[in-house]
Amino acid sequence: AQSVTQLDSQVPVFEEAPVELRCNYSSSVSVYLFWYVQYPNQGLQLLLKYLSGSTLVKGINGFEAEFNKSQTSFHLRKPSVHISDTAEYFCAVTFTGQNFVFGPGTRLSVLP
Amino acid sequence: DAGVIQSPRHEVTEMGQEVTLRCKPISGHNSLFWYRQTMMRGLELLIYFNNNVPIDDSGMPEDRFSAKMPNASFSTLKIQPSEPRDSAVYFCASLYTGELFFGEGSRLTVL
Repeated sequence: AQSVTQLDSQVPVFEEAPVELRCNYSSSVSVYLFWYVQYPNQGLQLLLKYLSGSTLVKGINGFEAEFNKSQTSFHLRKPSVHISDTAEYFCAVTFTGQNFVFGPGTRLSVLP
Repeated sequence: DAGVIQSPRHEVTEMGQEVTLRCKPISGHNSLFWYRQTMMRGLELLIYFNNNVPIDDSGMPEDRFSAKMPNASFSTLKIQPSEPRDSAVYFCASLYTGELFFGEGSRLTVL
């Protein structure tokens, strides 16, 4: 069975500072990895995904993530955050391409 | 494209009442998912359909919950009878080229 761990439930950071949101997964088979963002009172939307190929994946809004197979991690990074990045971020995995397992989420708060 | 459309956006009902949540997926997306989101349990998959056929309903909490997809453009999630512990945000999502597209959710409050 697969599982996803997001160690930080809340991450406060000042505007224009860099941020890293951590994601680790557990799976006995190869997986596809995703980061989704949820703004208040909205559904989730895709930030980026890793299916194969380059381990560094670039997404929307200046976010990127790096797949590390040996450490079973897929951490999300942004070099300079904006107030508008305040949201909840979810890491997700699937090996079937259909049964997605989501992590518990990390609430990013960008402070002025 | 209008995206995944869910209704109602908010529903307040009393314990024991029937609740029906509706979803219209994006046209051409062949897989549809129902998720439930709560503070305590996070995002849980309830059921998903491929080409209108239920594939995995192992996440449906109990017999009070049922879901249908009579055609490619419509799905319902029904709770009968509803209980206070069913209070949550219910999301519908459709899948295309490996990406889930979520609706804005239906916030259910059962008093």
